[in-house]
Amino acid sequence: GEDVEQSLFLSVREGDSSVINCTYTDSSSTYLYWYKQEPGAGLQLLTYIFSNMDMKQDQRLTVLLNKKDKHLSLRIADTQTGDSAIYFCAEGTASNDYKLSFGAGTTVTVRA
Amino acid sequence: GAVVSQHPSWVICKSGTSVKIECRSLDFQATTMFWYRQFPKQSLMLMATSNEGSKATYEQGVEKDKFLINHASLTLSTLTVTSAHPEDSSFYICSASHPRGGNQPQHFGDGTRLSIL
Repeated sequence: GEDVEQSLFLSVREGDSSVINCTYTDSSSTYLYWYKQEPGAGLQLLTYIFSNMDMKQDQRLTVLLNKKDKHLSLRIADTQTGDSAIYFCAEGTASNDYKLSFGAGTTVTVRA
Repeated sequence: GAVVSQHPSWVICKSGTSVKIECRSLDFQATTMFWYRQFPKQSLMLMATSNEGSKATYEQGVEKDKFLINHASLTLSTLTVTSAHPEDSSFYICSASHPRGGNQPQHFGDGTRLSIL
């Protein structure tokens, strides 16, 4: 089955790096996603990685995947006030027709 | 990037009213669309998977007769909350994925906040 867990809160100083962590359980063919949700809005796809990859970088975002530990992280470099939001980790597996299982979301607060 | 439009963004109506929410993929064709419900400060709960030209697949515990889903074209899916009651008040979000085969990321609409008085 699927069970995605992530820490609930993260506070970071503007300009520092943010690291949001997530663990998942399904070891089959899996895509792992990071979505951002701002208040009152839908989800914005930030990046995603397939389970046979170790790392993916896209501008300020770096995704690291530890397959052995089933641990996924999202690093945001040079965090800005506009990065304050809820970040959801999600897993989509072939065994479940790639329907997404979401973590509870990590609320990131960027302080000046 | 892929754009999904959801309408209306906010609706308030009286108990017993039926409410229709539209989800459109604006720049791609989506054979599959998903409907989610999100309670305050919680994660998304998948309600149903909507496939173009066929009946929707509902998740366990979701009432089919309460939440009617229609996916008549590759760019439009609708969710109708029938005879809505205050407990149906929630944030409803749709998503759509490209039909290129295999797994494609889901792109989300901006959500509809439904308030039933």
